[in-house]
Amino acid sequence: QQQVKQSPQSLIVQKGGISIINCAYENTAFDYFPWYQQFPGKGPALLIAIRPDVSEKKEGRFTISFNKSAKQFSLHIMDSQPGDSATYFCAGGAGSYQLTFGKGTKLSVIP
Amino acid sequence: DAGVIQSPRHEVTEMGQEVTLRCKPISGHNSLFWYRQTMMRGLELLIYFNNNVPIDDSGMPEDRFSAKMPNASFSTLKIQPSEPRDSAVYFCASSLYRNQPQHFGDGTRLSIL
Repeated sequence: QQQVKQSPQSLIVQKGGISIINCAYENTAFDYFPWYQQFPGKGPALLIAIRPDVSEKKEGRFTISFNKSAKQFSLHIMDSQPGDSATYFCAGGAGSYQLTFGKGTKLSVIP
Repeated sequence: DAGVIQSPRHEVTEMGQEVTLRCKPISGHNSLFWYRQTMMRGLELLIYFNNNVPIDDSGMPEDRFSAKMPNASFSTLKIQPSEPRDSAVYFCASSLYRNQPQHFGDGTRLSIL
């Protein structure tokens, strides 16, 4: 199965800081790149998604940056808050039905 | 609007027993997905249904696993016989159409002793 490599595995950020999570993919057929947020005991929830025809998408404090030539994309969380502490998953999909997920990044935002 | 509903939330059973996990997708969604989440392998797609028909079951690990969707509002994932290596969190997700965002349930945490 084509991989999506996600880094770092864990991240500690001070409240108010910027959290950055990176992903790299292999499958050039991917045309949909979502980010999911998962809290303990809950299912993943769609946070933000991008398609490769744009290089950046911003929704509130969350921004996806996309580099098609490098096959990389990243999630930036501005003004990180303790409530953002969760596990974040990137994914790639062809037609968005068959998603290949990264292994996840556990984010801890400390006061 | 109710989200994806999974039951049971937790299941503990002994090796060799049959396990049935249940899922009620969001009303009106016509695509349904079963995933398995483990520390080692992360989130893996097991099977995908579109309009109650299994489209891709290439992720189903072996014949001990089976999934059905008898109608638009109900799906089951069955493991028979269960083995300790099946211990994981199993998620069901649904989407309005196949190219729309997937909405996940809160999962079933399965422990096989």
